Amino acid sequence: DGGITQSPKYLFRKEGQNVTLSCEQNLNHDAMYWYRQDPGQGLRLIYYSQIVNDFQKGDIAEGYSVSREKKESFPLTVTSAQKNPTAFYLCASSIVSGRGRTEAFFGQGTRLTVV
Amino acid sequence: QKEVEQNSGPLSVPEGAIASLNCTYSDRGSQSFFWYRQYSGKSPELIMFIYSNGDKEDGRFTAQLNKASQYVSLLIRDSQPSDSATYLCAVKAGNNRKLIWGLGTSLAVNP
Repeated sequence: DGGITQSPKYLFRKEGQNVTLSCEQNLNHDAMYWYRQDPGQGLRLIYYSQIVNDFQKGDIAEGYSVSREKKESFPLTVTSAQKNPTAFYLCASSIVSGRGRTEAFFGQGTRLTVV
Repeated sequence: QKEVEQNSGPLSVPEGAIASLNCTYSDRGSQSFFWYRQYSGKSPELIMFIYSNGDKEDGRFTAQLNKASQYVSLLIRDSQPSDSATYLCAVKAGNNRKLIWGLGTSLAVNP
């Protein structure tokens, strides 16, 4: 079955530690996105990529890094520079076809907690 | 002014009633409009999309788009307790490939 897989589902980070969240899709989608969701704040875009080896900062990129070496994969690293990383992280992908149709399909999310 | 606005709710309706969820947007060049449902602790799932003015129906769901007034709405007929969730409105603004998200409306359907 096609879909988007995020791992792990739960992740605990110690202060000053970098952690990497995995996102893999087999939908053959060109675009991939990382969002952060905090209670009452909706979805905030961290990074997005429309093509392999290229990505752009979203609204809250500070303290995060990404790579897009393969079409299927878009891992997110939460660095020690991100001072408040506890949140629900969502990866999404989409196609770009026709007249602006870009519905996003989401993975199941990773809940990151700083301990 | 936020680019995509939704009433945060909670919107409470009795089982079997019609739930009406509204979303307004600021960019007149917006072309595509999406409604997602998100259960607590889960990821959003697409339930409707609409591109043209008017109504689009899919089962118990109807999306309504009015570009002149810059609003899109979602009607849920015969609401069920399983419809209790947060509903997110997303808008694709012009040629920009990013979706702009509202904060969501919380819906509670009471048995």
